[in-house]
Amino acid sequence: DAKTTQPTSMDCAEGRAANLPCNHSTISGNEYVYWYRQIHSQGPQYIIHGLKNNETNEMASLIITEDRKSSTLILPHATLRDTAVYYCIVRAVGIQGAQKLVFGQGTRLTINP
Amino acid sequence: DTGVSQDPRHKITKRGQNVTFRCDPISEHNRLYWYRQTLGQGPEFLTYFQNEAQLEKSRLLSDRFSAERPKGSFSTLEIQRTEQGDSAMYLCASSFLLNTEAFFGQGTRLTVV
Repeated sequence: DAKTTQPTSMDCAEGRAANLPCNHSTISGNEYVYWYRQIHSQGPQYIIHGLKNNETNEMASLIITEDRKSSTLILPHATLRDTAVYYCIVRAVGIQGAQKLVFGQGTRLTINP
Repeated sequence: DTGVSQDPRHKITKRGQNVTFRCDPISEHNRLYWYRQTLGQGPEFLTYFQNEAQLEKSRLLSDRFSAERPKGSFSTLEIQRTEQGDSAMYLCASSFLLNTEAFFGQGTRLTVV
């Protein structure tokens, strides 16, 4: 699986949009971009994933650059409960895909009142 | 609650003792994964099952570790002759065959004293 690079930590004010960047310059054509987050003392929680088109769900939006070498996770209206470590993972899926998630260090996002 | 369930949530054991953890995945999920997470690090893959078959094991899974999923439902992870270095959070996750999202349990925190 391709390696990802994320900032170690970020801060965001409550109510503002939190934009978390991720670099994955060696991503292959069959690899998806996944985002998980982990709130303190809990298991990781799936947020969103995408291949090349931008994606949006009830939790977040995922913007993937046209060359797919980087992406941004957007939490549109951050709340204190969004304080967590956010992991960006690239992974091939399907029958020939990787069967496991490879977590890096992630970005520690702190939402400030 | 239909999420992934892990038991116990916390375990303190003396060095040299054996411990066993249990994971109950989401009922219709074919795949079950075990991860280990030490303080300040992202989760690290240990092993995964497709139904009752253990299909991949990490090099992290030493001979003292054994995992089973006898009927393709719940799984157990046993650590024999525990060492202080085994102290970590042990996470279980499950997913549909060929589906993309893995759902994690709350984890079992092991402390070896």
